[in-house]
Amino acid sequence: GAVVSQHPSWVICKSGTSVKIECRSLDFQATTMFWYRQFPKQSLMLMATSNEGSKATYEQGVEKDKFLINHASLTLSTLTVTSAHPEDSSFYICSAVTGQGPYEQYFGPGTRLTVT
Amino acid sequence: GQSLEQPSEVTAVEGAIVQINCTYQTSGFYGLSWYQQHDGGAPTFLSYNALDGLEETGRFSSFLSRSDSYGYLLLQELQMKDSASYFCAAYHAGNNRKLIWGLGTSLAVNP
Repeated sequence: GAVVSQHPSWVICKSGTSVKIECRSLDFQATTMFWYRQFPKQSLMLMATSNEGSKATYEQGVEKDKFLINHASLTLSTLTVTSAHPEDSSFYICSAVTGQGPYEQYFGPGTRLTVT
Repeated sequence: GQSLEQPSEVTAVEGAIVQINCTYQTSGFYGLSWYQQHDGGAPTFLSYNALDGLEETGRFSSFLSRSDSYGYLLLQELQMKDSASYFCAAYHAGNNRKLIWGLGTSLAVNP
């Protein structure tokens, strides 16, 4: 149980275009989802916390108008990278938490974004 | 500020035991988790300590000392497949259960 999927697994887009990444909890309801980005050989950087039915909470330094997050249901959150630039190329990972302990975050497989 | 420190790299041989330490400075500390991440993959949960002491799960054990703001992950009977990055992450008390991540320890297991 506790499976999280992400789609797409990888995407290449041109500079200036927008890309949407979906994160789904397949067999549980996720009241909270987290979006991370990770550069090679580095740690995970939390971008935002997404709660179902409410606006996302962005971490300091993350542009909310550039990284649009929508958590429309208890099983789906989306991250849209708007007007993508090459520096947005990264590994984007979502995670979800259930209402049960021990506070484990279940991670999606990640989306590798390359902006050309 | 909030930070977690762990060694950047550790090397060991198959069958050995390795300990990865993590010291933390976080306000509102709630508990310490450990995650494993293979190259190109997503983190997977290994263990969680909310209370002082040792938690054992198979070949992996994790320890926490709140008074010392310190924890460690112990990996026994190392296998080649254990070569990965290991992250300690502290839970921040609050409704969102946000994790504060260490920079990760790259473990290389050699034959």
